[in-house]
Amino acid sequence: DAGVTQSPTHLIKTRGQQVTLRCSPISGHKSVSWYQQVLGQGPQFIFQYYEKEERGRGNFPDRFSARQFPNYSSELNVNALLLGDSALYLCASSPGLHTGELFFGEGSRLTVL
Amino acid sequence: QKEVEQNSGPLSVPEGAIASLNCTYSDRVSQSFFWYRQYSGKSPELIMSIYSNGDKEDGRFTAQLNKASQYVSLLIRDSQPSDSATYLCAGLYNFNKFYFGSGTKLNVKP
Repeated sequence: DAGVTQSPTHLIKTRGQQVTLRCSPISGHKSVSWYQQVLGQGPQFIFQYYEKEERGRGNFPDRFSARQFPNYSSELNVNALLLGDSALYLCASSPGLHTGELFFGEGSRLTVL
Repeated sequence: QKEVEQNSGPLSVPEGAIASLNCTYSDRVSQSFFWYRQYSGKSPELIMSIYSNGDKEDGRFTAQLNKASQYVSLLIRDSQPSDSATYLCAGLYNFNKFYFGSGTKLNVKP
């Protein structure tokens, strides 16, 4: 069975640009959440989506947005990129809303120049 | 105070020894707790979850939770070089927000 898949795996952008990251959850999983991981730090919660609705939001500016599609895949958008947005962006899926088990994809590494 | 705090390490133990990893948490994070392992260049993977006070054992791993002291720990018995990784403690808040600690790097020396 396929795990959580994310694309692209690596990308380079310049300040002020916009980026879209994509995630496909494990088949049967309805919840997708997004995390930002800076080198040497633990993942920081950005969003959780369940059944296409936002169910949780972390302390990130409005430049960050996300959505979930009817097939439960998800996109994370970041506008007006800053150098500090350079990080590994992790998508995690879980079977339901109130479960604590997260299954992570391999991440999208974003570099902002 | 951060919601979940860990000593960044590195923690070095000889092969076969017990590795003890610790984590403290704030009042905001009080429902359930998780330990994830992250190998260098890889994504986190779940090792253990613990929801109530006491110990929970799974193979060589034991998770301990003390809600009065707001303290979570992970013991790894008979440590192997393959256990060398960063261990992330995570707490679940409001059923939808995970707060991760910064991770403790474990080195198991052959």
